[in-house]
Amino acid sequence: NAGVMQNPRHLVRRRGQEARLRCSPMKGHSHVYWYRQLPEEGLKFMVYLQKENIIDESGMPKERFSAEFPKEGPSILRIQQVVRGDSAAYFCASSPRAPGVQETQYFGPGTRLLVL
Amino acid sequence: AQRVTQPEKLLSVFKGAPVELKCNYSYSGSPELFWYVQYSRQRLQLLLRHISRESIKGFTADLNKGETSFHLKKPFAQEEDSAMYYCALMMDRRQGAQKLVFGQGTRLTINP
Repeated sequence: NAGVMQNPRHLVRRRGQEARLRCSPMKGHSHVYWYRQLPEEGLKFMVYLQKENIIDESGMPKERFSAEFPKEGPSILRIQQVVRGDSAAYFCASSPRAPGVQETQYFGPGTRLLVL
Repeated sequence: AQRVTQPEKLLSVFKGAPVELKCNYSYSGSPELFWYVQYSRQRLQLLLRHISRESIKGFTADLNKGETSFHLKKPFAQEEDSAMYYCALMMDRRQGAQKLVFGQGTRLTINP
């Protein structure tokens, strides 16, 4: 099992462009979480998705950010009209089932977004 | 609001010395606490969780609800313990909240 995959690992965008970050969960996992880590800070929860459903998006900025996890293919975090403050590391995690006791989130290597 | 505080951004100890990484949390419900570790050039991985009450790589952590703390300890540090350590809180699952709330992290350096 290759683990959680994220691509690209590094992404450079100019202000006003769009950024698309992809996350392929571990095989057999149907739950995906996105976290953002700003410089010198801890990871902050953004959104929790199951296949074709957004379960909790309480950490997502209200504008410019969206996430999806289609029936087929990876989960995508989309940032429209990026600004310098969006520069951060974006981590994806997946878990195998509806969370219960002993559920573990497995993390990807992250995508480092730099907005020029 | 729920919060996790790791007061030390940097911690440096000598090999063989005891290590304690501090973690305090703020949450009104019944929390689940975790320690995650990120070694150089590797991804974030779970080190241990309070429910399991286990020892991993010589590390232990006890949940102290009275002091709202979940400090990570190891009696004898090894050079391979050098890494970034994050304390994390998962809110009461019964309320349907699945997200982890992370502290800012502590960079542990073990000196030879």
